[in-house]
Amino acid sequence: QVQLVESGGDLVKPGGSLRLSCAASGFTFNDYYMTWIRQAPGQGLEWISYTSSSGNTIYYADSVRGRFTISRDNVKNSLYLQMNSLRAEDTAVYYCARHGRPNIRGYYFDYWGQGTLVTVSS
Amino acid sequence: QSVLTQPPSASGTPGQRVTISCSGSSSNIGISTVSWYHQLPATAPKLLIYNNNQRPSGVPDRFSGSKSGTSASLAISGLQSEDEADYYCAAWDDSLNGWVFGGGTKLTVL
Repeated sequence: QVQLVESGGDLVKPGGSLRLSCAASGFTFNDYYMTWIRQAPGQGLEWISYTSSSGNTIYYADSVRGRFTISRDNVKNSLYLQMNSLRAEDTAVYYCARHGRPNIRGYYFDYWGQGTLVTVSS
Repeated sequence: QSVLTQPPSASGTPGQRVTISCSGSSSNIGISTVSWYHQLPATAPKLLIYNNNQRPSGVPDRFSGSKSGTSASLAISGLQSEDEADYYCAAWDDSLNGWVFGGGTKLTVL
């Protein structure tokens, strides 16, 4: 069965850095585009970045462009999010999600991880 | 302020039919298929509807989706207590080169 397990969330000071990981299993990881989505406490969902199956195509939301970097290791079946210059407004649960169809961007996310909490506070 | 507009709340009694609307624009819903996700408290969102009106396996046919122009809607018939959750719509936005979500609708089963 498809499983996505995020890790790496922590309490970090403003201006600090953090690296999130998402371990994938139960499917052919290198066939699928992957995405990071976050949810601030008590708020809605915000898409922040996606990567193509090869990692050659990457997009970011304006709110994180230039500060966050998405990457993937198709040998380790893992997705990453390097987060630099963190701000209080980056406080959220971060989810990784699989795009719904293999080898295309598609329009939906069919599996989500359980999320990892990032808290940015002094 | 979310790019897609949903009512913040909806409610119904067991057995009733409720609908949740999702309004967008020509750069998102107008050119993209719509997906819906539901989220129980303290859990991750789950896919409920994709490609406007398709249900993943395991989702009851009480849930249905539709899209017209730049708006979409989710209908839940035969409302059950376990349907109480937050519901989000989403679509690809061509002008932002990313996905946009609605602000979410909290469904209460009275």
